[in-house]
Amino acid sequence: GAVVSQHPSWVICKSGTSVKIECRSLDFQATTMFWYRQFPKQSLMLMATSNEGSKATYEQGVEKDKFLINHASLTLSTLTVTSAHPEDSSFYICSARDQGTSGYNEQFFGPGTRLTVL
Amino acid sequence: GENVEQHPSTLSVQEGDSAVIKCTYSDSASNYFPWYKQELGKRPQLIIDIRSNVGEKKDQRIAVTLNKTAKHFSLHITETQPEDSAVYFCAASGSYQLTFGKGTKLSVIP
Repeated sequence: GAVVSQHPSWVICKSGTSVKIECRSLDFQATTMFWYRQFPKQSLMLMATSNEGSKATYEQGVEKDKFLINHASLTLSTLTVTSAHPEDSSFYICSARDQGTSGYNEQFFGPGTRLTVL
Repeated sequence: GENVEQHPSTLSVQEGDSAVIKCTYSDSASNYFPWYKQELGKRPQLIIDIRSNVGEKKDQRIAVTLNKTAKHFSLHITETQPEDSAVYFCAASGSYQLTFGKGTKLSVIP
């Protein structure tokens, strides 16, 4: 089946630093990838939609200058949290659509990245 | 945009009993309804999904029903086992984005 990986699985950083998270589709090409954030005991909230070769589409309330998204290839999207602060600590999960599947929005999720900002 | 409501937020059942989780959605254009199981600190795992051209789908102990007219869909787990304990999320999607419900924490008591 479709496999999505994320790296790193967890990261601890100091306040004010930047952190990059990678999301890769391992056995399929993904023109569209999605980035979610999940706070403890809450649901997944879509942050942005990443389209290969074009600018990401951000959800309302998500600062695009703070959460930089790059989708340079059909198998890789990156999320960079710039000038991280403790309130950015969360579980970040990516997902990818397999462009070879039906028109239904089936997404395959990465294992997530636990970010802790001190 | 799409809005998905999920109930209940917590559910405790005795091992062997059935569990039912219900979701409603707002966008009549939504055509894909997946259910995910998420264990603590792990990714959401797709357990079953249903498309808008189908009213019911079953996979062993898990079944999902969809009522397009009423815009609601439900997850049914029969013969529950302790390993079914987790948080379950429903979601609804049109052609582009998935919108998730707030989740149901299911506890199966041995």
